[in-house]
Amino acid sequence: KQEVTQIPAALSVPEGENLVLNCSFTDSAIYNLQWFRQDPGKGLTSLLLIQSSQREQTSGRLNASLDKSSGRSTLYIAASQPGDSATYLCAVISMGSGYSTLTFGKGTMLLVSP
Amino acid sequence: GAGVSQSPSNKVTEKGKDVELRCDPISGHTALYWYRQSLGQGLEFLIYFQGNSAPDKSGLPSDRFSAERTGGSVSTLTIQRTQQEDSAVYLCASSTRSSGETQYFGPGTRLLVL
Repeated sequence: KQEVTQIPAALSVPEGENLVLNCSFTDSAIYNLQWFRQDPGKGLTSLLLIQSSQREQTSGRLNASLDKSSGRSTLYIAASQPGDSATYLCAVISMGSGYSTLTFGKGTMLLVSP
Repeated sequence: GAGVSQSPSNKVTEKGKDVELRCDPISGHTALYWYRQSLGQGLEFLIYFQGNSAPDKSGLPSDRFSAERTGGSVSTLTIQRTQQEDSAVYLCASSTRSSGETQYFGPGTRLLVL
């Protein structure tokens, strides 16, 4: 059974810092990996999706890497801003019998202070 | 609509009552997923629909939980004889197909069972 772990559980940084969120998974036979953002009381917003054949994806100040063999992914946020404060969720996408399933970590709660 | 919508956004009910949660997926999305997010827990998969059929109900926690989807669009998650441990955020997601495409999430329904 796939298990996804995110470290740290919570992180507080001053504005402007670069930071790294970590995600590890136990079964390397994944289809894709996806990073989401969840604001308090809101649903999930997809940030980046990395296909299993890719090593990284970039969007603006965000960069996500994937190392399937070691079962790890990182989300790098450059020049953090207070608006980045949210919970960041890592989800591993596996293929079942013709459909995909997402297994989520418990998230990293990020607070960026002005 | 532009995104996945869910109703109600919040629901408070008494233990033992039945509740119905509704999900309107993005138009044209054939795959629909229900997840549950409990306090301090990650998101857990409940059920997956492809069109009107549900090939995977493995995540439903008990026989008090059921879901249906009619016309390949709207889905309803029903919880009978609610218990306090059913209190959680119930999230719905849809995608164009089931095979690994990005899932788009709704804002969720926050259920509180007193």
